[in-house]
Amino acid sequence: AQSVTQPDIHITVSEGASLELRCNYSYGATPYLFWYVQSPGQGLQLLLKYFSGDTLVQGIKGFEAEFKRSQSSFNLRKPSVHWSDAAEYFCAVGGSNYKLTFGKGTLLTVNP
Amino acid sequence: KAGVTQTPRYLIKTRGQQVTLSCSPISGHRSVSWYQQTPGQGLQFLFEYFSETQRNKGNFPGRFSGRQFSNSRSEMNVSTLELGDSALYLCASSPLSQGQETQYFGPGTRLLVL
Repeated sequence: AQSVTQPDIHITVSEGASLELRCNYSYGATPYLFWYVQSPGQGLQLLLKYFSGDTLVQGIKGFEAEFKRSQSSFNLRKPSVHWSDAAEYFCAVGGSNYKLTFGKGTLLTVNP
Repeated sequence: KAGVTQTPRYLIKTRGQQVTLSCSPISGHRSVSWYQQTPGQGLQFLFEYFSETQRNKGNFPGRFSGRQFSNSRSEMNVSTLELGDSALYLCASSPLSQGQETQYFGPGTRLLVL
């Protein structure tokens, strides 16, 4: 069975500080990994994805994530957080079964 | 291209009623998936359709059903509504026919069951 764990329910950072959101996955085959962001009352916006190749992937809004197979991790990073990054972030794993399995999400608060 | 659209955006129903939600995928996308989002359970997969065929289904009771039309538009239906069905229902579309491809989400339909 596929599963995703996001250990941090809520993270608070100061504007301009760096950010790392953790994601660990469990999947029996080659995983397809995603990070989505959700603002209040909105749908999910894709930040970045990993299918294969370079394990460091770049996404929109200055985000990047690194796939580490040995650690079953796909952590999201941003060097300098902006107030507009405050939102909820979801890590997801997919495969050949046409469905995504999501983590419980990490709520990001940005202090001015 | 226009994004995924979902109608209605908000809905209030009472227990025992049924509801139908609609989703129009991104033009050219043939795969449509549905997810339920609640504070307690998070995002859970309901089902996925491609070319009017359901290819995968999540662990939801039979009260939850869906279908896809020849133009790829999809509907999901929940019969005999329960209070616990209150949730944000998200639709996502994807272009490919096989394997895993990026899913693009709509804004969701927020359902409140009283």
